[in-house]
Amino acid sequence: GESVGLHLPTLSVQEGDNSIINCAYSNSASDYFIWYKQESGKGPQFIIDIRSNMDKRQGQRVTVLLNKTVKHLSLQIAATQPGDSAVYFCAESRTGNQFYFGTGTSLTVIP
Amino acid sequence: ETGVTQSPTHLIKTRGQQVTLRCSSQSGHNTVSWYQQALGQGPQFIFQYYREEENGRGNFPPRFSGLQFPNYSSELNVNALELDDSALYLCASSLEGLEVKTQYFGPGTRLLVL
Repeated sequence: GESVGLHLPTLSVQEGDNSIINCAYSNSASDYFIWYKQESGKGPQFIIDIRSNMDKRQGQRVTVLLNKTVKHLSLQIAATQPGDSAVYFCAESRTGNQFYFGTGTSLTVIP
Repeated sequence: ETGVTQSPTHLIKTRGQQVTLRCSSQSGHNTVSWYQQALGQGPQFIFQYYREEENGRGNFPPRFSGLQFPNYSSELNVNALELDDSALYLCASSLEGLEVKTQYFGPGTRLLVL
């Protein structure tokens, strides 16, 4: 079976601090990764993506790092805000049409 | 907002019944994928439709079926509902033909089977 796992099921950070959410994947053939944010009662919201030919990609306040050697993905959120509180999923794809999701990390931002 | 819409938002059915869920893809997108998300879990891939044909399927039984229409909207049908089918059903649209096939999700349909 597929395995996309997250190291920490919950994470609490102080407002203004940086957050780091980690994800391990098991299939070395995966070539495309996406981080999604899911708020309660809503569908997953695209945050940032990265292809396997890259090690790092930056967006607005977010950075994704990919370490293919150890099959590890991380999402860094700078200056975390209360609106960042949500469940974060990493998803991997090999064929491009089927994504495998982990169980998610719940991020709580403490004001 | 992604522009992906789903209906209905909530639905209650009884075991053994059949259900149809609907999804309209984001403008310009030609591919729809369906996922099942159980409470506290990540979404699980059910199948994908492209050019009105199934284009990949996850580990779901045949009683889960789908359709895609010429306007790229899609339906998910589930027959002989079981209690374990209670979940949030998500559809995601994307544009096939690009190397990077980012999927954008709708708000989901919450299905409760009693």
